[in-house]
Amino acid sequence: AQKVTQAQTEISVVEKEDVTLDCVYETRDTTYYLFWYKQPPSGELVFLIRRNSFDEQNEISGRYSWNFQKSTSSFNFTITASQVVDSAVYFCALSEDPIQGAQKLVFGQGTRLTINP
Amino acid sequence: ETGVTQSPTHLIKTRGQQVTLRCSSQSGHNTVSWYQQALGQGPQFIFQYYREEENGRGNFPPRFSGLQFPNYSSELNVNALELDDSALDLCASSLAGVETQYFGPGTRLLVL
Repeated sequence: AQKVTQAQTEISVVEKEDVTLDCVYETRDTTYYLFWYKQPPSGELVFLIRRNSFDEQNEISGRYSWNFQKSTSSFNFTITASQVVDSAVYFCALSEDPIQGAQKLVFGQGTRLTINP
Repeated sequence: ETGVTQSPTHLIKTRGQQVTLRCSSQSGHNTVSWYQQALGQGPQFIFQYYREEENGRGNFPPRFSGLQFPNYSSELNVNALELDDSALDLCASSLAGVETQYFGPGTRLLVL
């Protein structure tokens, strides 16, 4: 069965600090996809990144970076030099090979990130 | 490029009533998925529609049903509403065979 665990329920930091959001996943599939979404107070889930299970290369996009490690089943997300606009709930999600059925996303419980000025 | 839109944005119903929520997929996308997000929780998969047929379902009872139309828009219907159905209902669209789902703003449903 698929499962995503985000152990950090809430994180609060001061602006300009670096912050890492943890994500641990479980799956029996060898082909799967990992995602991060941002949910601001408005409610809409904003797509941030997708990685497939065969690509363990870390990725950097501006102040955002992602560390994918299959050995520990983790897909962590780091925000460098955080800003108040980064305040939101962040979700990690997992999708197994959609060719075998519905393209279902399994989400973690989310981490509420608050950046204080 | 038009994003995913949903209507209505907010809705208040009473227990036992029926509700229909609507979703227009992003331009070029032919697959629509519905999720329910209870307060303080992650979204839970309800079902997915592709080529106007349901092609996968989560752990939701039959009173949750849906439709997809030839223009790829979709409806979520919930019968016999219960208090626990109060949630943010999210629609996401994607291109079959491509794994990224893009979400709409959601419908906040309150059942009294």
